[in-house]
Amino acid sequence: TQLLEQSPQFLSIQEGENLTVYCNSSSVFSSLQWYRQEPGEGPVLLVTVVTGGEVKKLKRLTFQFGDARKDSSLHITAAQPGDTGLYLCARPNSGYALNFGKGTSLLVTP
Amino acid sequence: KAGVTQTPRYLIKTRGQQVTLSCSPISGHRSVSWYQQTPGQGLQFLFEYFSETQRNKGNFPGRFSGRQFSNSRSEMNVSTLELGDSALYLCASSLGVGDVLYAGELFFGEGSRLTVL
Repeated sequence: TQLLEQSPQFLSIQEGENLTVYCNSSSVFSSLQWYRQEPGEGPVLLVTVVTGGEVKKLKRLTFQFGDARKDSSLHITAAQPGDTGLYLCARPNSGYALNFGKGTSLLVTP
Repeated sequence: KAGVTQTPRYLIKTRGQQVTLSCSPISGHRSVSWYQQTPGQGLQFLFEYFSETQRNKGNFPGRFSGRQFSNSRSEMNVSTLELGDSALYLCASSLGVGDVLYAGELFFGEGSRLTVL
């Protein structure tokens, strides 16, 4: 099993702060996805990155794929309470199965 | 368009019983995957069905099984329930075609939360 390590596991910040969460593996990814899961709901895809060094922006969220395609990061600028949730990274495993990291649980308080 | 629908949303069973969970994918999606989510292990892949055929299977015991019908709806069954089977079971649908190395978007349902007493 190709493990994805996410850090930190938990993060509690105040509204307006910036934060970065990480997703790492010992092996190369062909692609990587980031999902956000809010309480009581299923995960929702935020972004897919496929090229080493790729940077994608989604409003206040910036996603980066490492040059060696073994790591990825998600940076949130000026976090808002609506950003609260579980952030999951995922990579293709076999066929259409995905391997997920255990996630970073983010709490943004007003 | 309508999203992925999972039923039931919540259920409580006792050890030794069996349970069947249902998933209706997005119209036009032919791939349905099932995942188990627990606080300790996170999201773990159970199996994936495409056009009524199991295309991939995760590392779970044979007590976990599934099937897909001709209308792409899917069910999963867990027999002889154990306390450790308590989890959120998530179903995801996707088109299921194209380059697997660049995984297409999975659309998840809200899950079925199973509690085993």
